[in-house]
Amino acid sequence: ETGVTQTPRHLVMGMTNKKSLKCEQHLGHNAMYWYKQSAKKPLELMFVYNFKEQTENNSVPSRFSPECPNSSHLFLHLHTLQPEDSALYLCASSQDLAGEVGELFFGEGSRLTVL
Amino acid sequence: GQNIDQPTEMTATEGAIVQINCTYQTSGFNGLFWYQQHAGEAPTFLSYNVLDGLEEKGRFSSFLSRSKGYSYLLLKELQMKDSASYLCAVRDSNYQLIWGAGTKLIIKP
Repeated sequence: ETGVTQTPRHLVMGMTNKKSLKCEQHLGHNAMYWYKQSAKKPLELMFVYNFKEQTENNSVPSRFSPECPNSSHLFLHLHTLQPEDSALYLCASSQDLAGEVGELFFGEGSRLTVL
Repeated sequence: GQNIDQPTEMTATEGAIVQINCTYQTSGFNGLFWYQQHAGEAPTFLSYNVLDGLEEKGRFSSFLSRSKGYSYLLLKELQMKDSASYLCAVRDSNYQLIWGAGTKLIIKP
C-alpha cells in the first residue's frame, strides 16, 4: 500500500469509446503526475500538476485529457484512442516538485488495452 | 539529448551478490534515484544519491560518481523476492526525472 490508489486496474476499450482513469492519494502531497509505461521503454512523463495547477504537458496528444479537481485527485480522460496507446498508466505523487529528496509514490497502475 | 543506460536483464543466484549499473548523460544533475518494481505492482523508492559515494540501506547499497555519470545498485544476500525490475532515474537541472528503461533481475534458486 503506497497511499496512491488507481482505478480501474484494467480497462479494455474500443477506439471510439470514452473512458476515464482515476487516481487518489492519501499522503497530503502537493504534486501529482501521470506516466505511461510501455514494455522495455523508460517511463514517459505525460502531465504534472502542482497545487492543482498543470505545470507540464509533455507533447501529449489531445486524445488524453487530464483533470485535477483538488490536490488529492487526478483523472485522465481518454477518447478516440489508438492501439499504440495500450500501456500501463501510472499515477504518482510527491510532497512537492523539487524537494530535498522528492521521491515519487506510485499507484499500481491502470492497464489499458485499446482494440 | 538526455539518456540513461542500464542493462535490460540480469540473472543471479539466491544468496549471491549482484550489481546493477546505470550510466547517464543529462542536462545538469540534481540527484539519482533507484526504484524497484515487482511485476504488476507499483514502482517503490529504494534509494537516492546526490553526493558521490556509497549509501547503504540494509542489503541494498547505491553508489554514485558524478564525474563519471555512473551509479550502481548493489544487492547482497539475494532472496527470491528480489526478482523485480530496477529503475534508475536522474533529476536534471530543471528537476525533471529522466528514466532508464529498467533492468529485469531474475533470481534463480
